[in-house]
Amino acid sequence: QKEVEQNSGPLSVPEGAIASLNCTYSDRGSQSFFWYRQYSGKSPELIMFIYSNGDKEDGRFTAQLNKASQYVSLLIRDSQPSDSATYLCAVIEDGPSGSARQLTFGSGTQLTVLP
Amino acid sequence: DTEVTQTPKHLVMGMTNKKSLKCEQHMGHRAMYWYKQKAKKPPELMFVYSYEKLSINESVPSRFSPECPNSSLLNLHLHALQPEDSALYLCASSPRQGRDSPLHFGNGTRLTVT
Repeated sequence: QKEVEQNSGPLSVPEGAIASLNCTYSDRGSQSFFWYRQYSGKSPELIMFIYSNGDKEDGRFTAQLNKASQYVSLLIRDSQPSDSATYLCAVIEDGPSGSARQLTFGSGTQLTVLP
Repeated sequence: DTEVTQTPKHLVMGMTNKKSLKCEQHMGHRAMYWYKQKAKKPPELMFVYSYEKLSINESVPSRFSPECPNSSLLNLHLHALQPEDSALYLCASSPRQGRDSPLHFGNGTRLTVT
């Protein structure tokens, strides 16, 4: 069974520090990787997606992908208390029997940024 | 605010009721999804529609019945639900089925079955 694993945390970092969130996936055929942020009681909000090996930066966020190691990470620089949320890693995979692709989520990492 | 609109925001229903959840997007997206999320768990896929055709049904009980009347609308009809079906129901859409096609989520419907 295809799996997406995240360290569940909780992860606490002081304000201004770098938060590092990690995710591994089991299917070598996986092509695209997404990071969503979810505040308590709210819906997931897309932060970034990446499908090429290497780093992709957007503001304070950097996604890193290593397909050989089946590993994707999200770095949050200059962490703010407003970054406190659950971060969900998600992988696009082909559905069964060539049907539509689907997004499979990891269990999420709860991040707390301490003022 | 998101560009995927879900109604109602909250719904309380008894086990004998019939109700429907609605989802609408006007971004021209051709894939639409229903997810179910329980507290402190990740979203779980229920259904996928691609070009208005049901392409994935993740072994969801028949008391949940999806419908895609057109490319902008997605409904989830509910009948004879159980208390354990109480959850946040999320609708999402994506432009297409490509690798650079992220899902955009609505704000969800918080469902309570009594």
